Amino acid sequence: SQKIEQNSEALNIQEGKTATLTCNYTNYSPAYLQWYRQDPGRGPVFLLLIRENEKEKRKERLKVTFDTTLKQSLFHITASQPADSATYLCAPSRDSGGGADGLTFGKGTHLIIQP
Amino acid sequence: DGGITQSPKYLFRKEGQNVTLSCEQNLNHDAMYWYRQDPGQGLRLIYYSQIVNDFQKGDIAEGYSVSREKKESFPLTVTSAQKNPTAFYLCATTSPGRSYEQYFGPGTRLTVT
Repeated sequence: SQKIEQNSEALNIQEGKTATLTCNYTNYSPAYLQWYRQDPGRGPVFLLLIRENEKEKRKERLKVTFDTTLKQSLFHITASQPADSATYLCAPSRDSGGGADGLTFGKGTHLIIQP
Repeated sequence: DGGITQSPKYLFRKEGQNVTLSCEQNLNHDAMYWYRQDPGQGLRLIYYSQIVNDFQKGDIAEGYSVSREKKESFPLTVTSAQKNPTAFYLCATTSPGRSYEQYFGPGTRLTVT
């Protein structure tokens, strides 16, 4: 069955440093992989999408990589700020079409940026 | 304002009762989804609908039912057959023109005692 693994423990990073979150998946080949931010008691918010033929995607202080050989995506936040503290979810598409059939989400990594 | 509305934010029910969670959107998106989230767990797909009057089961459809009579609305009924209904329920939509990124509502926290 499809499996997604994210760092299960909270990640503590000092303000100003780069935070790197990992998403590993097995038993399928998604065409897309998305990253979301979720704050407590709220719905996830879309951050970035990367396609299988893209190695890297950037948006402001965010960077995502997608290695289909390793079946891994890395999510980086540079110059981290306490406001970046949240849970980050990775979501490979369930189908080769990119997500029309819904997404499969990892459990998320709780990121804490210490002032 | 364009967006997704889920109501109520908190819902309490007694065991054995059916309950319907509302999801309304004015984004003009075709596809709508229901996910469930439990503490320390990822979101799990319950049902989804890509067009009006059509819907498909997700990974954990047992004990749930949906309808899609209007493009704007995708209500989820949690039936008494659902063994562990207490959870955070999230409704989402997606627009193919945006490569299937999902837009989520604020969620409904259902507690069944």
